[in-house]
Amino acid sequence: AQTVTQSQPEMSVQEAETVTLSCTYDTSENNYYLFWYKQPPSRQMILVIRQEAYKQQNATENRFSVNFQKAAKSFSLKISDSQLGDTAMYFCAFTLHFGNEKLTFGTGTRLTIIP
Amino acid sequence: DAGVTQSPTHLIKTRGQQVTLRCSPISGHKSVSWYQQVLGQGPQFIFQYYEKEERGRGNFPDRFSARQFPNYSSELNVNALLLGDSALYLCASSPGSGLWVNQPQHFGDGTRLSIL
Repeated sequence: AQTVTQSQPEMSVQEAETVTLSCTYDTSENNYYLFWYKQPPSRQMILVIRQEAYKQQNATENRFSVNFQKAAKSFSLKISDSQLGDTAMYFCAFTLHFGNEKLTFGTGTRLTIIP
Repeated sequence: DAGVTQSPTHLIKTRGQQVTLRCSPISGHKSVSWYQQVLGQGPQFIFQYYEKEERGRGNFPDRFSARQFPNYSSELNVNALLLGDSALYLCASSPGSGLWVNQPQHFGDGTRLSIL
């Protein structure tokens, strides 16, 4: 069974600073996808960024980037130039390449951006 | 374009009752998944349906059931409600095609179920 671990329950950072959220996972599979989802108080789960395990290059989406270390089974999210609207719960998630689309989520990190 | 829509937004039930939650996927999406998110935790996978057939089931008791209709909308049913069923129930849709496609799941705003 796959597991996802987020060891930082809460983090806070000043506006405009950079913050890194950690995630580790465990799987015996070689092909899979990793995601970071954001859940603001409005409840909707919003995809921030994704990484295919077969790609060595780290994914980037504007101010968001990941550090994917496949051998270490680590998948951290870096938010640059943080903004007040980044305040939310952030969930790391995992799914296998084939088969059903079951997402396995971590327990989340509550990120607060301080003005 | 409309996103994933869920109804109702909030629901209050008592122990032992039954509840039905509804989800309409994004137009063109054939796969619907259901997740339970207990307060303070990450979502837990309950079911996935694709083309009206169950494709995956999480570790939930038989009190939980679901179905998908010809228009790809879906219902999640929970019988004999327990206090522990209080949670946010999320629905997600994706195009789905039998193999993993380069399309992530899109989530709805969820239904908040409270059991008294």
